[in-house]
Amino acid sequence: GEDVEQSLFLSVREGDSSVINCTYTDSSSTYLYWYKQEPGAGLQLLTYIFSNMDMKQDQRLTVLLNKKDKHLSLRIADTQTGDSAIYFCAERLSGGYQKVTFGTGTKLQVIP
Amino acid sequence: EAQVTQNPRYLITVTGKKLTVTCSQNMNHEYMSWYRQDPGLGLRQIYYSMNVEVTDKGDVPEGYKVSRKEKRNFPLILESPSPNQTSLYFCASSLDRNAYEQYFGPGTRLTVT
Repeated sequence: GEDVEQSLFLSVREGDSSVINCTYTDSSSTYLYWYKQEPGAGLQLLTYIFSNMDMKQDQRLTVLLNKKDKHLSLRIADTQTGDSAIYFCAERLSGGYQKVTFGTGTKLQVIP
Repeated sequence: EAQVTQNPRYLITVTGKKLTVTCSQNMNHEYMSWYRQDPGLGLRQIYYSMNVEVTDKGDVPEGYKVSRKEKRNFPLILESPSPNQTSLYFCASSLDRNAYEQYFGPGTRLTVT
């Protein structure tokens, strides 16, 4: 079955890099996502990576995918207080419809 | 503005009193879905719909019903709410079942006493 795991909390100082990690179990994933949830708001797609890629960079965000270990990470460079949020890793499985499994979420706290 | 809206945003109710949470999207999306978010469990899918009159169960459908009579609306119905349905509920939509991105509503916080 599918299972996506993340650590629950991460605390970093403003200006440092943050690395949020995620492990997944289903090797048939097609897309892997990072969503951001700010307090009182819904989820917003931050970035995604195709399962046939190893890395994707988008401004301050770097996504690394290790398919062998089924490990996904999100690195945020120069972390700002506005980055404080809950970050969800999610995988979309191959198949006929959009079945997306979300992780438990990692709460990122940025200390000024 | 392209968006997914949910109503109400907050609801406190009592056990057994039927309620409906509405979800509407203005993007002409085919695919819509309901999730519940609970601490330490992430988001779990309740029901989804691939198009009008086509709905199916997600991972945690017990105690919920849905309908899709129009493309833009996908209400979530709790016929007899129980305290274990206290949660944060999100509606989401995407262009079709193959689209990579889902757009989420702002959430509905439901408390059942």
